Amino acid sequence: QSVLTQPPSVSAAPGQKVTISCSGSSSNIGNNYVSWYQQLPGTAPKLLIYDNTKRPSGIPDRFSGSKSGTSATLGITGLQTGDEADYYCGTWDSSLSAEVFGTGSKVTVL
Amino acid sequence: EVQLVESGGGVVRPGESLRLSCGASGFTFDDYGMTWVRQAPGKGLEWVSGINWNGASTTYAESVKGRFTISRDNAKKSLYLQMNSLRAEDTALYYCARNTMIRGVINYLDYWGQGTLVTVSS
Repeated sequence: QSVLTQPPSVSAAPGQKVTISCSGSSSNIGNNYVSWYQQLPGTAPKLLIYDNTKRPSGIPDRFSGSKSGTSATLGITGLQTGDEADYYCGTWDSSLSAEVFGTGSKVTVL
Repeated sequence: EVQLVESGGGVVRPGESLRLSCGASGFTFDDYGMTWVRQAPGKGLEWVSGINWNGASTTYAESVKGRFTISRDNAKKSLYLQMNSLRAEDTALYYCARNTMIRGVINYLDYWGQGTLVTVSS
């Protein structure tokens, strides 16, 4: 049972925007950096956002991250069919002394 | 190009052991901490264990503590996961990942291997 809660699914039409929330607590999101991972069907996860808001080289600026208090949000603008994937948030939990991941959100392009 | 290649997965019976390996290339291995993450069939990601750059510091998820041991050989640029007393609920695809650290804890996982499948079944 994950300590980080995400909506199971989000969807939108091509070109539109979606946001995915990640809710935690002061022991994890509230006091540590958040990262986001994209997992395309049948592939390994890929780092999308790190340190709450930063994008690794090669990640388009259609992907953005933010954090406020004990929650974080991933935004995807200009939605494309290639964005259909599972998305996970991740952070360190200081109480558990463990890395924790969100429950995962499936993005569907209508 | 950073590459991580896992091996050692297979089918074992409950109570048996298995040792996973992860070979690294394309970066200075002993500059980074390393992590194992698993994903049960159709389920989400679960962090399993982490190790710092020189192996002096290790951490484990409660679900594997006392049964799994993470280690590394920097000369061989390899990461290992010794899994003992395996249970059906350990069945998963096991990924190794490179991690950065901040203030002594895992920050983010920036490169992942393709995974090796472990199946525990009688």
